[in-house]
Amino acid sequence: GDSVTQMERPVTLSEEAFLTINCTYTATGYPSLFWYVQYPGEGLQLLLKATKADDKGSNKGFEATYRKETTSFHLEKGSVQVSDSAVYFCALKNNNAGNMLTFGGGTRLMVKP
Amino acid sequence: DAMVIQNPRYQVTQFGKPVTLSCSQTLNHNVMYWYQQKSSQAPKLLFHYYDKDFNNEADTPDNFQSRRPNTSFCFLDIRSPGLGDAAMYLCATSRLSGGSYNEQFFGPGTRLTVL
Repeated sequence: GDSVTQMERPVTLSEEAFLTINCTYTATGYPSLFWYVQYPGEGLQLLLKATKADDKGSNKGFEATYRKETTSFHLEKGSVQVSDSAVYFCALKNNNAGNMLTFGGGTRLMVKP
Repeated sequence: DAMVIQNPRYQVTQFGKPVTLSCSQTLNHNVMYWYQQKSSQAPKLLFHYYDKDFNNEADTPDNFQSRRPNTSFCFLDIRSPGLGDAAMYLCATSRLSGGSYNEQFFGPGTRLTVL
């Protein structure tokens, strides 16, 4: 079945550092890929998405490119802020598999001033 | 603003005492979902409704039930909560059109504590 793998260990960065959170997936067909963000005590918010190979999703300074050749959708931001501290979930939605979201395990980001 | 609303945000219940969590939406979406999210884990889909059509995930315990009386509201009933049911419960909505489920919008969640 479909699966999403993210780096599980927390990421701690200083403000203005460069961020990369890795995400790789296994799926049949051509899934859509998403990054969701969850701030402390809150629900999930869609951060960005990409629906086909080579698409780049971007929002609030975050970017991720749908790489079919490496089955990856790594999240990047050039300069993180304290307010970016949250848990980030990579997810896929596969039209071949019931259209439900499959989530990765989440990566906690902590940004220190 | 169109949104997904969950009440209450925090719910405390006793072991074995039935509890109901509520979700409402102003997006007029035809699909509503309930997820369970335990600490430091990804959300796990329990079930979803497409209009009034109920779709249960294969591994959702019978202890969890749901009702959707109309388009706007969906309830999660836990008939006999155990300590292992303490979690954040997330409601989400989306629109099914042209055979494809569009983006899911999540509510803020209800954190359930079982004493």
